[in-house]
Formats: sequence, structure tokens, C-alpha cells
Amino acid sequence: SYELTQPPSVSVSPGQTARITCSGDALPKQYAYWYQQKPGQAPVLVIYKDSERPSGIPERFSGSSSGTTVTLTISGVQAEDEADYYCQSADSSGANWVFGGGTKLTVL
Amino acid sequence: QITLKESGPTLVKPTQTLTLTCTFSGFSLSTSGVGVGWIRQPPGKALEWLALIYWNDDKRYSPSLKSRLTITKDTSKNQVVLTMTNMDPVDTATYYCAHTIVAYDAFDIWGQGTMVTVSS
Repeated sequence: SYELTQPPSVSVSPGQTARITCSGDALPKQYAYWYQQKPGQAPVLVIYKDSERPSGIPERFSGSSSGTTVTLTISGVQAEDEADYYCQSADSSGANWVFGGGTKLTVL
Repeated sequence: QITLKESGPTLVKPTQTLTLTCTFSGFSLSTSGVGVGWIRQPPGKALEWLALIYWNDDKRYSPSLKSRLTITKDTSKNQVVLTMTNMDPVDTATYYCAHTIVAYDAFDIWGQGTMVTVSS
């Protein structure tokens, strides 16, 4: 079955830039989406269609795509950004959705 | 304002069938482009997509769980129901339902989730 691969953890200091990657063979064909999940809460969509930001999401969140890897970038990281981040996409058929394994962002 | 809320048993026994209901407001599942999906998350683990149903009754299932899942909608009641057969302790998780639209193709609004424990 199709898989998306994320690093288990990323650590940054406040004010620095955090980059979280997600790799998958179908990413050149399928859009990627990013969710933020804080402990005990439901996920929140922060990026859709590779690089679009839903209303209400701070501008410091951005997304990009290059080949089989997509990247979530958080510029000027704040303590409140500490959370788990999940990428989501679809397999090459587009019919089956899949989540990555998640990345824990720690703000030092 | 779109809201979704999951309901169902908190405890099921192994081999039993789980039935979860997602009751929503603020949108209609008869509107073109709209869908509702189910996602689960075992304690301390990653999200896992389970199933998705669209306004036109198009249904999608996780390939690894397809044989155990059924998703249906009741447009008049604003509900989506997920059934999962032959429950096992590894199915212990928080189960979420979420709204999607074709324009996003992602889950833009989520319910609060409901914890289901599988144990004898």
C-alpha cells in the first residue's frame, strides 16, 4: 500500500525556521496537505494543495513541492507552533487517501 | 458554521461490530462537491484514513481495511455512519469524522473525536 514518509522529529529554537518534509512516489501527481495537531485536540488543516493556506492560518506557515518531496515551512517559529504535523495525500489513482507518520515539532 | 460530532460506544468486545455515527451541521451532504470522511488515531500513534463518502454516494475505503468497513449517509438526518466488523484490540483508537469539499480535497473541519476501546 502507498506510504508517505516524514521524519519523526524536528527541533528548532524560537524565531528560527522549521522545515518538515514528506516523501512519496505519487507526490508529483497528487497534491499534498498538512495538518497541525496539538495534544488532546483534533487536527487542523494548515496547508492545502501543496502551498495554499486556509483562512485564519498565519502567514508563517507555507508549503512547497519538488518532485517526490513536499515541505512544510514554518518561518519565525513560535512556542505555540509546538505540535505534531501530518502530511496527507492520495495514491496515484487519487482514490485512496493516506497520512504520513507524523513529525513532532519541538520548540527549544 | 460547520460542526461535526462523533458518537458511538466507548467499549466494544473483540469480534464485535463497531457502529459510529457522525452528526453534522452547517452543510448538506446533498450539495455538490461535499464529502465526509473517517480517520482514526491509536493512542500515541499516527492518523489513519479509513473511509470517505461524497454527496453523489461515491464511497472510498482504505485498501487495508476495505473488507471490514461500510460507510453510508442519511442526508435527511445530516448523518454519516461507519461500521467496522470483527473488531480487535489493535483497533483501539480515537475515531474522527471530518468535512471535505472537492475544492480542497482535504479535511478542513474535524469533529472532536470519540475514543473506542476494544477489550474483553
